[in-house]
Amino acid sequence: ETGVTQSPTHLIKTRGQQVTLRCSSQSGHNTVSWYQQALGQGPQFIFQYYREEENGRGNFPPRFSGLQFPNYSSELNVNALELDDSALYLCASSFRGQTEAFFGQGTRLTVV
Amino acid sequence: QKEVEQDPGPLSVPEGAIVSLNCTYSNSAFQYFMWYRQYSRKGPELLMYTYSSGNKEDGRFTAQVDKSSKYISLFIRDSQPSDSATYLCAMSPPSNDYKLSFGAGTTVTVRA
Repeated sequence: ETGVTQSPTHLIKTRGQQVTLRCSSQSGHNTVSWYQQALGQGPQFIFQYYREEENGRGNFPPRFSGLQFPNYSSELNVNALELDDSALYLCASSFRGQTEAFFGQGTRLTVV
Repeated sequence: QKEVEQDPGPLSVPEGAIVSLNCTYSNSAFQYFMWYRQYSRKGPELLMYTYSSGNKEDGRFTAQVDKSSKYISLFIRDSQPSDSATYLCAMSPPSNDYKLSFGAGTTVTVRA
């Protein structure tokens, strides 16, 4: 186990709704990254947070947003859900300056 | 062309065989190379981490990086049924955001 926990583990939402996913980083880690993994694909980088600010963003629209809190936990928010947003959402924590990233078990989001 | 290409598989091998997994990449800025193992419906687990070119061994696992050819490999010796999983290569440039770029994954089944 990595010590990175995500909630909820599964979620079903309707197209057009909004969703919030949560992540608690591993103890001692100050950086959180979010990835989207579609079925049969590798994870795609959404964005990274360090010191409560977005620090790098992948090719995702603005309706994907996030927060990092003083305790380094993080949220991923997705507005106006689309069917293609159905995926496994992964949170990875790391320590700034170290490349190794440790992943949580993911939240499986299904948009119907 | 994708930034990271991974042999798609799937691979099915008998127990005790050597498993060979490969990725190629196009971004010459990549300096950090990782292999993750992902069991079904779980988050990726970091297996091996290497910096720049060379070999790294950890138990039954050997990671090789050839930056001149933009090619990385993971070898699993004496494979076990518990090694059955999807293996993801990931890589990153030496920048502050440490965004990981992943391959699509290779699914391996080790037959008892």
